[in-house]
Amino acid sequence: EIVLTQSPGTLSLSPGERATLSCRASQSVSSSYLAWYQQKPGQAPRLLIYGASNRATGIPDRFSGSGSGADFTLTISRLEPEDFAVYYCQHYDSSPLTFGGGTKVEI
Amino acid sequence: QVQLQESGPGLVKPSGTLSLTCTVSGGSISSSNWWSWVRQPPGMGLEWIGEIHHSAGTNYNPSLESRVTISVDKSKNQFSLKLSSMAAADTAVYYCARLGVAVPPTGDWGQGTLVTVSS
Repeated sequence: EIVLTQSPGTLSLSPGERATLSCRASQSVSSSYLAWYQQKPGQAPRLLIYGASNRATGIPDRFSGSGSGADFTLTISRLEPEDFAVYYCQHYDSSPLTFGGGTKVEI
Repeated sequence: QVQLQESGPGLVKPSGTLSLTCTVSGGSISSSNWWSWVRQPPGMGLEWIGEIHHSAGTNYNPSLESRVTISVDKSKNQFSLKLSSMAAADTAVYYCARLGVAVPPTGDWGQGTLVTVSS
């Protein structure tokens, strides 16, 4: 099983600032089968990034993903008020699919 | 875009079996995608339960495999989850989603349904 460790657990920032979220895998994720989700209270996760760096449909270009192997990063270039939420990484390399523990981005 | 909707009881007794159904609309369950169940205990993170292909092939999370059965009904465009021997630790919001091993996620998730285990 691939274990995904996200850091930091909480990120305290202000609107307009840059957010950098990390996701480290316990082993290499082949073909960069890594996705990022945003989740707000009471809502289902929203897909932001797949294939480590591909934005999902309708996702603003302030969201970007990078990385390969076992180290991946989600960057939000300039935080908007609606970006304050919890972010999860998820691999789909092999069964079982797993999620990271999440990073909360708070004001 | 495909829509997914979970349905089933919101309350299950300890040691009982949870049965949930996910209805897929706006697309056929017989596409090449895999269909998953994911759960989230209150205030906690996401846990993948398992997945099914329209051909009825399945993959399960080893931590739950002994208690889980996922099935598909192509005639109704639905797939279902059964989780036996329910305990308080199984209280969670249960989501169905279009996810799969080695398949890029599509971002299609149900709204989720809260299942509480209590007598």
